[in-house]
Amino acid sequence: DTGVSQNPRHKITKRGQNVTFRCDPISEHNRLYWYRQTLGQGPEFLTYFQNEAQLEKSRLLSDRFSAERPKGSFSTLEIQRTEQGDSAMYLCASSVTGEGSPLHFGNGTRLTVT
Amino acid sequence: SQQGEEDPQALSIQEGENATMNCSYKTSINNLQWYRQNSGRGLVHLILIRSNEREKHSGRLRVTLDTSKKSSSLLITASRAADTASYFCATRMDSSYKLIFGSGTRLLVRP
Repeated sequence: DTGVSQNPRHKITKRGQNVTFRCDPISEHNRLYWYRQTLGQGPEFLTYFQNEAQLEKSRLLSDRFSAERPKGSFSTLEIQRTEQGDSAMYLCASSVTGEGSPLHFGNGTRLTVT
Repeated sequence: SQQGEEDPQALSIQEGENATMNCSYKTSINNLQWYRQNSGRGLVHLILIRSNEREKHSGRLRVTLDTSKKSSSLLITASRAADTASYFCATRMDSSYKLIFGSGTRLLVRP
C-alpha cells in the first residue's frame, strides 16, 4: 500500500495564473475525492469521482475549478485565473466502494496565491 | 457548508489524562467517522460508527453516537504526547457518497 500521492506538495503562484494539481489514489480504489482546507477549518468537499465519472460537485465550486479523472486512475484539479482566496491546502482522498469505506488521504498540495 | 461542529475547538490536557471531544450534526446520517490530522499532513481514519450503533471501541478510542440528539463523542483514554493533533468528525448522509467534515478539535497533550 503506497498510499495516496499528491503533487506538488507546495505551489506558489501569482494571482491570475492557472495551476494544476495531481492525485494518484491507492490503485484498487475506485472512489476519489477532492477537498479544500483552510487554516483552522475542516476539509471542505469539492468533488467526487466514481471511476472516471464525476458524480458530485460542490455548489461552492466556481467555474474556475475543474477536475478530471480520465482513465479512472489518477486525477487532476485545475484552478484557472487564481485568486488570493484560493490559497488553501487541497486534499485528495480515495476509497473502495461501500458505505462504510474510510477515506485515505494524501498529504495535500498547499497553494499560495500572491 | 459544514455538517458537523466539534466541541471544544481546542483542548489542552496532561499526558495520561483522558480527552473527550464532541460532535454535533444537523441531518440524518448513514454513519459517522472520526479522523485525525497532524499538522501539515493529510487526515487519517480512526473509527467509524454506523447509525444503528450506540458505542464502539478501538484500542484507546471509544466512540458513542446518539442519533436522537444528533451527536457523537470521541474519548481517548490515557492520552500520550503523540496524540497531539486535530480531530474531526465526518458524516455521510444516506443520499450522498461524500463525507462532510466538522471544524475540528485541536488537542494538545502536554508531556
